[in-house]
Amino acid sequence: QKEVEQDPGPLSVPEGAIVSLNCTYSNSAFQYFMWYRQYSRKGPELLMYTYSSGNKEDGRFTAQVDKSSKYISLFIRDSQPSDSATYLCAMSGSSGSARQLTFGSGTQLTVLP
Amino acid sequence: EAGVVQSPRYKIIEKKQPVAFWCNPISGHNTLYWYRQNLGQGPELLIRYENEEAVDDSQLPKDRFSAERLKGVDSTLKIQPAELGDSAVYLCASSPSVVDTQYFGPGTRLTVL
Repeated sequence: QKEVEQDPGPLSVPEGAIVSLNCTYSNSAFQYFMWYRQYSRKGPELLMYTYSSGNKEDGRFTAQVDKSSKYISLFIRDSQPSDSATYLCAMSGSSGSARQLTFGSGTQLTVLP
Repeated sequence: EAGVVQSPRYKIIEKKQPVAFWCNPISGHNTLYWYRQNLGQGPELLIRYENEEAVDDSQLPKDRFSAERLKGVDSTLKIQPAELGDSAVYLCASSPSVVDTQYFGPGTRLTVL
C-alpha cells in the first residue's frame, strides 16, 4: 500500500463547476500538506500549502486537512478551462525520512468550456 | 527571477547508452533535488543536495545512476547504461533550504528505445 493514495481520474467537469480533489495517507508523521498543479509538459508548481487541520482559502482554491482521518482535499470554485491540469497532493514530516516530499499519483482534471 | 533551468528538454536514446541531464537551480537556493516521474505517477525523490553534499540518496539506483553538484550550484544526473525502464521525466527542484517550498524545473523527458 502506498503512503499517499490519490484518485487518478480523469475528471471532466463543465466550466463553473465546483471541483473536489482528494488524497488519503497512512503515515502519521506527515505534518505539512501541499497541492501542486502540473500542466502538460511542465514541472509541478505549488498551489496551496497547509500545516494544521482545518481550511485554508486562496481565491478560488480551498485546501482542507483532516489529520484525524488522514484525509486532505482541494476544492476549486468556479472552475475555468485554464484549471485543466494534473493536480498532485504532496506531504512531508519534520524529521528523518518523512521530511522528504511524498506525492500522490495525481488527478487529471479537464474543465470544459 | 529566473526559475529552475533544465536541459535537454527531451532525449531519446537506445538502451545501454549513457545519458546526462543538467540542472541550474534558482540563484541562492542551497537545496537541490532530483526526482523521477513515471507516466501517470507523482515525482519520486532520487537524491537531495545541501550545497554540494548529497544528504539523501537512498532512492538513487547507484549501480547505474550518479549525480554531482559542483560548487554547490549546477547539478548533473547521469545514467550509464540506460535501461528501457528508465524512460520517465527527470525533474530538478530547488529551495532556499530543506524546510522551504520546492520550485520545480520543466523536466527532461527521457525515452529509452
